[in-house]
Amino acid sequence: EPEVTQTPSHQVTQMGQEVILRCVPISNHLYFYWYRQILGQKVEFLVSFYNNEISEKSEIFDDQFSVERPDGSNFTLKIRSTKLEDSAMYFCASSESVSGNTIYFGEGSWLTVV
Amino acid sequence: AQTVTQSQPEMSVQEAETVTLSCTYDTSESDYYLFWYKQPPSRQMILVIRQEAYKQQNATENRFSVNFQKAAKSFSLKISDSQLGDAAMYFCAYRVYNNNDMRFGAGTRLTVKP
Repeated sequence: EPEVTQTPSHQVTQMGQEVILRCVPISNHLYFYWYRQILGQKVEFLVSFYNNEISEKSEIFDDQFSVERPDGSNFTLKIRSTKLEDSAMYFCASSESVSGNTIYFGEGSWLTVV
Repeated sequence: AQTVTQSQPEMSVQEAETVTLSCTYDTSESDYYLFWYKQPPSRQMILVIRQEAYKQQNATENRFSVNFQKAAKSFSLKISDSQLGDAAMYFCAYRVYNNNDMRFGAGTRLTVKP
């Protein structure tokens, strides 16, 4: 069964460093997402991406964050200058369309900022 | 505001028994989708079941079924014949039709006792 894959599964970085989290969405999907889950808290929407541009973003997704699809397969989340509070599990997800189709999640990338 | 509430932080069930997890949501929309996701210790988000709001019939997926009460804005998950592998965090989620932002509840941690 097709699945969303994410790398790395776990990354430790120093505060202030840039981090790039990578994702390969399901191949025939057109919508891509990043969600975040701080330990012990609920899953939160960060951003959605369609047709090579951001379609929606939450208030969490500030100027420190960016997304891109550099090569037509990978979908990346970049955090420019990490803060301690960026420590969280970051989930990439994809769906065939936006019209209510199920969103399929990757296994997550656990980011620890020290 | 669109919010999802799971009033049971923790639930416990005996193996082979049935358990019901509660979820309520608040919305002024008429066209939306509801989901239950399972998050085992591996922290992957796995879709359990989904329900379209326009369908009156409750969704069923093997041992998993929902009780969708649109007027009451309630969406509970019933797990029949509970298995040890069902132990996980369960998240209720809501998504408006044609909207990228999926809202999650705080989760219910289900323990299955042998």
